[in-house]
This record gives sequence, structure tokens and C-alpha cells, in this order.
Amino acid sequence: KQEVTQIPAALSVPEGENLVLNCSFTDSAIYNLQWFRQDPGKGLTSLLLIQSSQREQTSGRLNASLDKSSGRSTLYIAASQPGDSATYLCAVRLLYNQGGKLIFGQGTELSVKP
Amino acid sequence: ETGVTQSPTHLIKTRGQQVTLRCSSQSGHNTVSWYQQALGQGPQFIFQYYREEENGRGNFPPRFSGLQFPNYSSELNVNALELDDSALYLCASSLWPSTDEQFFGPGTRLTVL
Repeated sequence: KQEVTQIPAALSVPEGENLVLNCSFTDSAIYNLQWFRQDPGKGLTSLLLIQSSQREQTSGRLNASLDKSSGRSTLYIAASQPGDSATYLCAVRLLYNQGGKLIFGQGTELSVKP
Repeated sequence: ETGVTQSPTHLIKTRGQQVTLRCSSQSGHNTVSWYQQALGQGPQFIFQYYREEENGRGNFPPRFSGLQFPNYSSELNVNALELDDSALYLCASSLWPSTDEQFFGPGTRLTVL
């Protein structure tokens, strides 16, 4: 059974700091991995999608990497800003799943202090 | 391009009642998935619809059912509501098989008293 874990559960950093969020998964037979951002009480905003054949994806100050063999992904946020404060979720789609089911971690709650 | 929309935004029901939640997929998307997110948890997959057929189901009882319409909008129906059904219900759409990236709506907050 695929399990997705995100560490730490919460993180508080001063503005301007570079930071890394971690995501690990137990089954390396994944189709892709997606990082999302969720503001309190709101829906999910897709940040980056990494296909299983890719090693990383970049969008602006965000960079996500994927290492299938070790079951890990990281989300790197450069020069953090107070507006980056939110919960960050990673989700994997299994290679053999026909229903497009995403399996989510519990998220990392990020707080960026001015 | 219109994003994923959901209605209603909030809903309060009592135990034993039935509820219907609605989702309009992003323009051009043919696949809709529903997720349940309890407070402080990651979303849990309920089911997915592709071209009006159920195309995968998570570990939810049969009292959770759904529909997808020809315009690819969707409904989630929950019968015999229980207190544990209180959660944020999220709808996501994608264009399968062209892309697997899922785009989420703002969610419906359901409270069961």
C-alpha cells in the first residue's frame, strides 16, 4: 500500500530564507508526483507536476526534484516571502492505478515571518 | 478559460440527511475526481468519472455516489450522513489522456450536526 509522508509537519522561517520541503513515498512505481499549495479553508493550487521519467521541474522561485529509486521528492522555495505562507501538499499517482487516484501526504504548514 | 467551480461553498446538515454537492470542471476537461479532506489531513480519493463512467473508487462506502453529465460537470451524493462526513469536499478536473495534471476547485465545506 502506497504511503506518502511529509516532514516536517510545520515550519516557520524568516522572510528571505531558502527552504526545502520533503515528501517521501513507499512505492516507487509512480506515474507522476504533483506539488500543491493550500491556503486555509481553500482548495488546492497546482504548483508543479513531475512525470516519473523526469528528475525536476522549475517554476519561478520553486524547484521540485524527484528521486524514484529512493522514494523522495523535495520542493525548494528560494527567497521565501510572507505570501508563501500556506500548507504544501505532495501527491503521487500510481503507475498501475486506472482511476487517476492521487495519494496525498498530510502536508507541511509553512509560515514565513516578515 | 474558466477554472473548476463548486457549489455550495458551505453546507450544514444533520445526521441521517442526504446531500448533493456540485462541480463544474475546467473548460475542455473530461475527467472529474472527488476528494474528502478532514481537518488537518491530506485529501482522500473518493472516486473519479471519465466520460460519464466511474473510473476508479477509493475506500468509501456505497452511500457515497456520483454522476458525471455530458458537459462533464459532476455531482457527489452522500446518503445517511454521519458526523465523520464533516469535511472539505474537493473536486478536481483533468484532460485525460492528454495530461494528468489535476486542477482543484475551492471546495465545499460540509458540517454534519
